[in-house]
Amino acid sequence: GAVVSQHPSRVICKSGTSVKIECRSLDFQATTMFWYRQFPKQSLMLMATSNEGSKATYEQGVEKDKFLINHASLTLSTLTVTSAHPEDSSFYICSASATGLSTDTQYFGPGTRLTVL
Amino acid sequence: KNEVEQSPQNLTAQEGEFITINCSYSVGISALHWLQQHPGGGIVSLFMLSSGKKKHGRLIATINIQEKHSSLHITASHPRDSAVYICAVSGGSNYKLTFGKGTLLTVNP
Repeated sequence: GAVVSQHPSRVICKSGTSVKIECRSLDFQATTMFWYRQFPKQSLMLMATSNEGSKATYEQGVEKDKFLINHASLTLSTLTVTSAHPEDSSFYICSASATGLSTDTQYFGPGTRLTVL
Repeated sequence: KNEVEQSPQNLTAQEGEFITINCSYSVGISALHWLQQHPGGGIVSLFMLSSGKKKHGRLIATINIQEKHSSLHITASHPRDSAVYICAVSGGSNYKLTFGKGTLLTVNP
């Protein structure tokens, strides 16, 4: 089946620094990638939808200047958490929707656990 | 009220028991997904269905579009089935998923 990877799997950083998380589709092209955030014991919350070659669409309440998303190719999307603060500590998950396959099919990455000290 | 409601929130079973997790939704959908999230956090897609029933190994998923209800069944449950099971629905052309809060399943040996 289709595989989505994320890097890094865990990151610890100091408050005020920026962190970049990569999401790659390994064996398929992904026109659309999604970024989710999950706080402990909470459901996944969609942060933004990323389409290759265009600007990401952010959900209400998600600061686009703080969470920078770049989807420069059909196999890679990046999420950069700028000037991270402890409240940004969370589990970040990406998913990818494959070009040419069922529009409802999404493949999830393994997630990145961010801890901001 | 959430658009996607799951029940129960928590479920504890003995190894070998038959498990049922329910999902109800209030919006029009194009597909319903069942996902599994293990303690490490990674998510695995178990099923995507828009009608009827699907089976994969010991897992069975059913959906009733008229009643806006889906069930996930696990036969002969095993401790390795312990995880959070999440129901999510998608609709429209933008593929966005709306998630339930998940059901924490613990299967004891």
